[in-house]
Amino acid sequence: GDSVTQMEGPVTLSEEAFLTINCTYTATGYPSLFWYVQYPGEGLQLLLKATKADDKGSNKGFEATYRKETTSFHLEKGSVQVSDSAVYFCALLYNQGGKLIFGQGTELSVKP
Amino acid sequence: DSGVTQTPKHLITATGQRVTLRCSPRSGDLSVYWYQQSLDQGLQFLIQYYNGEERAKGNILERFSAQQFPDLHSELNLSSLELGDSALYFCASSVDTGTGALETQYFGPGTRLLVL
Repeated sequence: GDSVTQMEGPVTLSEEAFLTINCTYTATGYPSLFWYVQYPGEGLQLLLKATKADDKGSNKGFEATYRKETTSFHLEKGSVQVSDSAVYFCALLYNQGGKLIFGQGTELSVKP
Repeated sequence: DSGVTQTPKHLITATGQRVTLRCSPRSGDLSVYWYQQSLDQGLQFLIQYYNGEERAKGNILERFSAQQFPDLHSELNLSSLELGDSALYFCASSVDTGTGALETQYFGPGTRLLVL
């Protein structure tokens, strides 16, 4: 069945470091791909999305490109801030019923 | 603020009890989704409603049920609660134009349920 795999956390970085969180997926058809972020004690917020191959989603300095050939949607940011500390979830949305399938989440901790 | 509201924010109850979680979708959104977030299972889809009708079912236990009312708010009912039902329950909503296009889901802040 459809699934999403993220790199294991926690990821600990210093402020201004480069961030990559890997995400790969398995799906039949052509899903849309999403990154959601969950700040401590809060709900899920949509960070960015891409709806077809080679699309690049971007928001707040974060970027991810939908790579069909490698079935990946890696999240990147050039310079992280302490305020980026959160749990990041990669997800796919397949039109069969509209449910989101989430990865296990990757915790990011940014130290000053 | 996503525009999706959930009440209550926290709920503490005992095993065997029944609780109701409430969700109001964003204005104009016809679809409502329920998800469960637990430490061992991660984020899992439970059920989807579209304009009052059940549209899709995921890993929802028989002890759990949901409905969507004419004003489009939704309720998730959890009965015969067990310790393992302790989790964060999220509601999400989307526009769902009915065209088959894949619509972004916006999440509420969640209801944290603790079963003692």
